[in-house]
Amino acid sequence: AQKITQTQPGMFVQEKEAVTLDCTYDTSDPSYGLFWYKQPSSGEMIFLIYQGSYDQQNATEGRYSLNFQKARKSANLVISASQLGDSAMYFCAMREPRSYNTDKLIFGTGTRLQVFP
Amino acid sequence: DTAVSQTPKYLVTQMGNDKSIKCEQNLGHDTMYWYKQDSKKFLKIMFSYNNKELIINETVPNRFSPKSPDKAHLNLHINSLELGDSAVYFCASSQEVERNTEAFFGQGTRLTVV
Repeated sequence: AQKITQTQPGMFVQEKEAVTLDCTYDTSDPSYGLFWYKQPSSGEMIFLIYQGSYDQQNATEGRYSLNFQKARKSANLVISASQLGDSAMYFCAMREPRSYNTDKLIFGTGTRLQVFP
Repeated sequence: DTAVSQTPKYLVTQMGNDKSIKCEQNLGHDTMYWYKQDSKKFLKIMFSYNNKELIINETVPNRFSPKSPDKAHLNLHINSLELGDSAVYFCASSQEVERNTEAFFGQGTRLTVV
């Protein structure tokens, strides 16, 4: 069963506007972490933001915020005031660290964001 | 100060050859991983090591053999390379399992098998 679903293969946003990238997840474990990574055209994986399953508040990091809706099992990334440099692939990922032998990040298929002037 | 470094960044080789990709992390993390990103950008775990011990092997062909000489290094050796092995391979590391923190990735190695 797919654990992480990103339904938007591509998104466009105008510079300075906000954009939401969708992510839903599936787990029966009460303890998990949700992550967003950015992959620009240069190829590296850049960590953006983290949300723990027990966190009461939505995570924020600068222009990035995570809209965490636990009951809906969604963890959408919101980028405010988009910049041209935000154009990249964005991956949602989940970690279920129940034990050492299951510790891994499971990735969604990614959303390609393009910011235009 | 590179946190997770892998070499080489690009690797072009012929079918049937054997090649290695090296990875080192200076973060003091206990767990290291290898991920494969295919041509459709899908990222999937291959292996994870915790303190030099193999923890996860996600049905990867045995032509792929990870080696961890110490907890700061996790190298990937690939025997008898095939065209389908062409991909970007990422090394990553993270803190111990109890602390659910992010994984830090290397810059990736783009492997092209011709």
